[in-house]
Amino acid sequence: SQTIHQWPATLVQPVGSPLSLECTVEGTSNPNLYWYRQAAGRGLQLLFYSVGIGQISSEVPQNLSASRPQDRQFILSSKKLLLSDSGFYLCAWSVVGGSTDTQYFGPGTRLTVL
Amino acid sequence: DAKTTQPNSMESNEEEPVHLPCNHSTISGTDYIHWYRQLPSQGPEYVIHGLTSNVNNRMASLAIAEDRKSSTLILHRATLRDAAVYYCILRVLNRDDKIIFGKGTRLHILP
Repeated sequence: SQTIHQWPATLVQPVGSPLSLECTVEGTSNPNLYWYRQAAGRGLQLLFYSVGIGQISSEVPQNLSASRPQDRQFILSSKKLLLSDSGFYLCAWSVVGGSTDTQYFGPGTRLTVL
Repeated sequence: DAKTTQPNSMESNEEEPVHLPCNHSTISGTDYIHWYRQLPSQGPEYVIHGLTSNVNNRMASLAIAEDRKSSTLILHRATLRDAAVYYCILRVLNRDDKIIFGKGTRLHILP
């Protein structure tokens, strides 16, 4: 069966510090991978998606970046965090191939920038 | 992307059926109607999807209007654990498979 892992589960970082969130998927190959952010009391915002190794598409301009060094690994980074980067970060995966395709979400990382 | 419109919030009593509406008047012939829900402090989870015919699974039923311009997610017997934000989404299964989430409907279940 497939599983998706995210770490850390919670993170408190000062403004201006770097960030690295990791997401890994097990039990599938060549998945599409996604990073979403949910600010407190707000909806889900798609940040990045990737259809293959080294292929990253950004949905919104921001000071975050994403990388996919391996087929089932997706990393979200920042060189200098802003207060507005606080939120609940969710990684998701899917395999495109039919009408039953579903996106599966990880447990999330709750980031607080102080 | 085709848009969906949902009420911001709804309330229902425990153990009663719940009908969550969704309008998608600009839906195209290739759009699938998907529903996800997000429990508190968790990521969204898939609930159900359909194209033209009504669908049933262990979680819910999906009723799709004949003109496909609206649909209704039906929870047959709501429990307190069904309290969540429910998202109605139109998906065209392109290679990128992006999901653009709207604001959804926050469902409150009253004991």
